[in-house]
Amino acid sequence: DVKVTQSSRYLVKRTGEKVFLECVQDMDHENMFWYRQDPGLGLRLIYFSYDVKMKEKGDIPEGYSVSREKKERFSLILESASTNQTSMYLCASSGSGTSGNTIYFGEGSWLTVV
Amino acid sequence: AQSVTQPDIHITVSEGASLELRCNYSYGATPYLFWYVQSPGQGLQLLLKYFSGDTLVQGIKGFEAEFKRSQSSFNLRKPSVHWSDAAEYFCAVGGSTGFQKLVFGTGTRLLVSP
Repeated sequence: DVKVTQSSRYLVKRTGEKVFLECVQDMDHENMFWYRQDPGLGLRLIYFSYDVKMKEKGDIPEGYSVSREKKERFSLILESASTNQTSMYLCASSGSGTSGNTIYFGEGSWLTVV
Repeated sequence: AQSVTQPDIHITVSEGASLELRCNYSYGATPYLFWYVQSPGQGLQLLLKYFSGDTLVQGIKGFEAEFKRSQSSFNLRKPSVHWSDAAEYFCAVGGSTGFQKLVFGTGTRLLVSP
């Protein structure tokens, strides 16, 4: 089974803090994603990466950055956290080719910014 | 631009009754379609997917979905709902290219009454 692990399930941070959300996958997947989930808005793509050191903006990249130094790890960074970034963050991964058409999700990280 | 509409925000079904969750998509090419389920506080679990072939696809937990190209729909069904099916359900659409980036609907929350 594919396993996508988000190291922090629940975080509380102060406004202006730098926040790191870490994600690791164990299936040697090329593609990794960060989504944000808010009630009534569904899932919105923040950033994705299709290779090590490669990244692409998703639909809502403002206020976020990402890092992918190793294939299995994809980090989401909030440079200066704000209260409107309080949300659930979901990491996901997928392989390439036809097998790459299925995206597997982690269990999510609940971030509260106070 | 691709989009997914789940017209029902909430649905309540009696335990043992049948279920149908609606999903309509807009996509300019051959769509790849997915249904995910999310239990409270958890990540998303893949229920089923449609890539090609038989338009009726079977998934886990007794769910099935039917792809209807003429109606741009991919409705999820289950003949007899169990209390453990109470969760939020997301429909998603992606393309047939090797790299997958999904667009999600806003979700339908299923409540199961005794």
